[in-house]
Parts: sequence; structure tokens; C-alpha cells
Amino acid sequence: SQQGEEDPQALSIQEGENATMNCSYKTSINNLQWYRQNSGRGLVHLILIRSNEREKHSGRLRVTLDTSKKSSSLLITASRAADTASYFCATDPLSNTGNQFYFGTGTSLTVIP
Amino acid sequence: SQTIHQWPATLVQPVGSPLSLECTVEGTSNPNLYWYRQAAGRGLQLLFYSVGIGQISSEVPQNLSASRPQDRQFILSSKKLLLSDSGFYLCAWSRGNGNQPQHFGDGTRLSIL
Repeated sequence: SQQGEEDPQALSIQEGENATMNCSYKTSINNLQWYRQNSGRGLVHLILIRSNEREKHSGRLRVTLDTSKKSSSLLITASRAADTASYFCATDPLSNTGNQFYFGTGTSLTVIP
Repeated sequence: SQTIHQWPATLVQPVGSPLSLECTVEGTSNPNLYWYRQAAGRGLQLLFYSVGIGQISSEVPQNLSASRPQDRQFILSSKKLLLSDSGFYLCAWSRGNGNQPQHFGDGTRLSIL
């Protein structure tokens, strides 16, 4: 399977703390993306990092990519209760023919006020 | 701006009945279109994707089929639903020129009785 895996599966932190989620994948990629899903809703795109990039920032989000280890991490700084959601990584494999993506199993983040 | 519409939001169907879920995209042309299924507490499984009218690629063998009768319309169907078809179905679109994020609809919660 080309599906990635997030780690941890669940994470519970206090408001104001940082949250770190990791993603590992199996095949070489064009890019890796992180998405957020509130309960019962569709996914929302957060950030895309290309295979030739090592780090990317967007507001309180910081994403790193290590293609040699086939892994990525998402850091949310100064977390808020509104950050409570599931977070997924998705890979765009080099072998793609139709711009399809393969999603990981997700990390469920709970931020306690 | 682009929008994606997916309906219905919830659906309860008996085993053996047919299914038709519809997804439409507005504000863009020739998008890549995708159908995913998400089991409870799990990641997304890519079911079908399409890079153009009448072009459908299936990722996994299953009881479902997809069609793209118009550029911005994507339909997920089944002739006879199984209990295992229950889940949360998500439609998404992306631009077709590489390194692009996916944009998701709000999903359909399908329960098979």
C-alpha cells in the first residue's frame, strides 16, 4: 500500500502547548500535503511541501520533510481549542498518473481549554 | 471562486438497493475529480479518480462504480448496496497541473440497514 501512517494516532494537549504529528510513507513522492478534518466534515488543505523543500511555514503551522527517511512532521504552535480536529498527511507519489493522493490514517488532536 | 457541492449529506439505504451520490464543482474547468470512502475513525481510501469526461480510474475492486458525464460532475453509483458499503463518502477536486491541493466537499454519511 502507498498509504502513509501518522503517529501518534491520538494526541491530547493543553491550550497553549505545541502539538507535533508525524507522517511516514513508503514511496518516492512529488509532494506531501497536510489536511485537517473537523468531526463529520470534509478535509481542509493546510499546507503542501514539495519533495525538494525541507521546511515550510504557514501561520502557526510548521511542516518539515525528510525524503531520505520518507517522513514528515506537522507542528502546531501555541495550540487553541479550535485546533481540535483530525490531521492527515497525503502523498503524491512519483508514479502518479492522475494526480491521485494517498492519505494516512490520521492523528486525532484534542486541545483542552 | 471555486466551490464543490456534494449531496445528500446523509442517506440511509436498505441492503440491495441502488445508490447514486452526486458531486459538482463550480468555478473551474477540467478539474481532476476524486471519490474517497472513510470508515469510522479511519483514514481516506481512494475509490475512483477522473482526469477528464468519461475517464474513470478505479483504485480498488468493489461494489461501486463512478461516472463523469460532464466536465464538473462526478457520480458514485451502485446497483446493489452491501452492508460493507456503509461509510463517509467524500468528493474532492484539484487542478490537473501537478503539485496542487485537493478541495473537499462536506461528505455524505451512508448507512446501510
